[in-house]
Amino acid sequence: QLLESGGGLIQPGGSLRLSCAASGFTSSSYALSWVRQAPGKGLEWVAVISGSGGVTFYADSVKGRFTLSRDNSKNMLYLEMNSLTAEDTATYFCARGATTVDPFDSWGQGILVIVSS
Amino acid sequence: EIVVTQSPGTLSLSPGERATLSCRASPSARYILVAWYQQKPGQAPRLLIQDGSTRATGIPDRFSGSGSGTDFTLTISRLEPEDFAIYYCQQYGGSPPFIFGPGTKVELK
Repeated sequence: QLLESGGGLIQPGGSLRLSCAASGFTSSSYALSWVRQAPGKGLEWVAVISGSGGVTFYADSVKGRFTLSRDNSKNMLYLEMNSLTAEDTATYFCARGATTVDPFDSWGQGILVIVSS
Repeated sequence: EIVVTQSPGTLSLSPGERATLSCRASPSARYILVAWYQQKPGQAPRLLIQDGSTRATGIPDRFSGSGSGTDFTLTISRLEPEDFAIYYCQQYGGSPPFIFGPGTKVELK
């Protein structure tokens, strides 16, 4: 199971940290990603981190603004989001893959982030 | 730029009918692997197919994937009422690691 938290309303230019709690599996054995979905729109992959945390990849749209990390001792995934704009408004899903290049076989229920003044 | 396209945008069908959804992956990617997801309103996506044709755990056999090269197809042999949803194609395994198509909505006719 994957459970996201930390969403909410944030002003443009602000920062927010999303968390994802993993349970029911050995989280260090899996890569974890964030995928977002703007209201009424399609899916957009945001970032992925390897099971060990040593490898990360980011979508061009968030590179330099978002930072992905994980704490396997706590089975937690974090997404630090900075310099937020209205275009970052979306539901953010945490998702699991076998590796950093495998599809997502388990998803959280999503958490809404709204960037607005 | 790597782009994944899906067609049609919307498919209007009745229960019991066959649904055929298309996905065209980007030829500029070094590797072309395709997965399919189903998403219902207010829910997270669910993995249906990976590696183009391998059903994920627990997925009914009315769902099948096929294709090669850059053209892939998701077929639902006989639509059940719970199959009306949006279906996303995902190209993976390359750089960037994951690209989603815009989705095909399968709606009740």
